[in-house]
Amino acid sequence: EIVMTQSPATLSVSPGERAALSCRASQDVSGNLAWYQQKPGQAPRLLIYDVSTRATGVPARFSGSGSGTEFTLTISSLQSEDFAVYYCQQYNNWPPWTFGQGTKVDIK
Amino acid sequence: QVQLVESGGGVVQPGKSLRLSCAASGFTFSSYGMQWVRQVPGKGLEWVAFIWNDGSNKYYADSVQGRFTVSRDNSNNSLFLQMNSLRAEDTAVYYCARDLYCNDDGNCFSNGFDLWGQGTLVIVSS
Repeated sequence: EIVMTQSPATLSVSPGERAALSCRASQDVSGNLAWYQQKPGQAPRLLIYDVSTRATGVPARFSGSGSGTEFTLTISSLQSEDFAVYYCQQYNNWPPWTFGQGTKVDIK
Repeated sequence: QVQLVESGGGVVQPGKSLRLSCAASGFTFSSYGMQWVRQVPGKGLEWVAFIWNDGSNKYYADSVQGRFTVSRDNSNNSLFLQMNSLRAEDTAVYYCARDLYCNDDGNCFSNGFDLWGQGTLVIVSS
């Protein structure tokens, strides 16, 4: 099973600032890495797939990068609606499909 | 409208059973492998089960293997999760999600879990 580890657990950022969230896989996941956003009381929403491809309707301020075992989700200029929990997930080696434990982005 | 709508959650006693449903609309349901994912309130996401687009194969998390069964009815655009021998640790919000797209050539592609339902809460308690 591939273990996904996200850091930090919580990221405090001011609106308009840049945020960088990290995700590490216990083994190579090639390009099969996704990021999800989840707001309180809502279902997760796919943001990024294949490491760096934005899902339909996702603003350009969200970008993904990385390869192998190290990945980053960057939010270039945080808007009020971006404060949420973000999860990475690998879909290279399954089953099981595995998620990171999440990074909460909150207001500084 | 492209959407997934879960139903069937509720409060159930330990050891009892519950069946969740997920109604799909707005897309060709039979072309997609489908997932169940759960989330204990306040905690992270846990993958539960997967079924291929044609129902030919199914996979389960170790935590539910032998107790849960995933199935689908492509003629009615529906996905199901039969949960037996429920335990307190199965308490969670259960989401269905769309995953693997399979084309007419039989090639299948994943772009992550690109469509989620709103979730249905299952509480296992005496």
